[in-house]
Amino acid sequence: AQSVTQPDIHITVSEGASLELRCNYSYGATPYLFWYVQSPGQGLQLLLKYFSGDTLVQGIKGFEAEFKRSQSSFNLRKPSVHWSDAAEYFCAVGGTGGFKTIFGAGTRLFVKA
Amino acid sequence: KAGVTQTPRYLIKTRGQQVTLSCSPISGHRSVSWYQQTPGQGLQFLFEYFSETQRNKGNFPGRFSGRQFSNSRSEMNVSTLELGDSALYLCASRRSSDGSYEQYFGPGTRLTVT
Repeated sequence: AQSVTQPDIHITVSEGASLELRCNYSYGATPYLFWYVQSPGQGLQLLLKYFSGDTLVQGIKGFEAEFKRSQSSFNLRKPSVHWSDAAEYFCAVGGTGGFKTIFGAGTRLFVKA
Repeated sequence: KAGVTQTPRYLIKTRGQQVTLSCSPISGHRSVSWYQQTPGQGLQFLFEYFSETQRNKGNFPGRFSGRQFSNSRSEMNVSTLELGDSALYLCASRRSSDGSYEQYFGPGTRLTVT
């Protein structure tokens, strides 16, 4: 069965420090992988998407993610976190055809001043 | 291009009542999905509509229903509201129902059931 696991419910990082949010997926076919961010009281915004090619994907707001097929992972990274990055982050997997997109449970990021 | 819009943004209803939420997708997008988000259960998929047909459905009781109009606008209805239906209801649109396409989310409707 298709699934997405985000092992960390919440993470606290100091402003200016690097960030890595973990995402593992289970999907029987070629996965299309997404990271979304949700600020309090708002909808989800797409950060980046992977569907083929280079396994390192660049997104908006200075985020990047690396697809590792052997580990079934799609971790999100940012070299230097800003206070405005405090939000909830969702990893998602989809595929061609009529399969619905599956979201992980989310990781809430707290940024310390 | 205008984003996904949802109305109303906030709603307070009484247990036992029914409610209808509306979603207007991005122009040209024909797929609309609905999600329920709560602190305890996270983001849960309700259903997806494409070209006025329900394509996928999540594990929700029949009190939750939806429809899509010929202009791709969608509504969801919850009948006989329960306290547990209090949540943020998010709508998302994409060009196609194919899962390879990214979804664009609206700001949500915050429903409170008292």
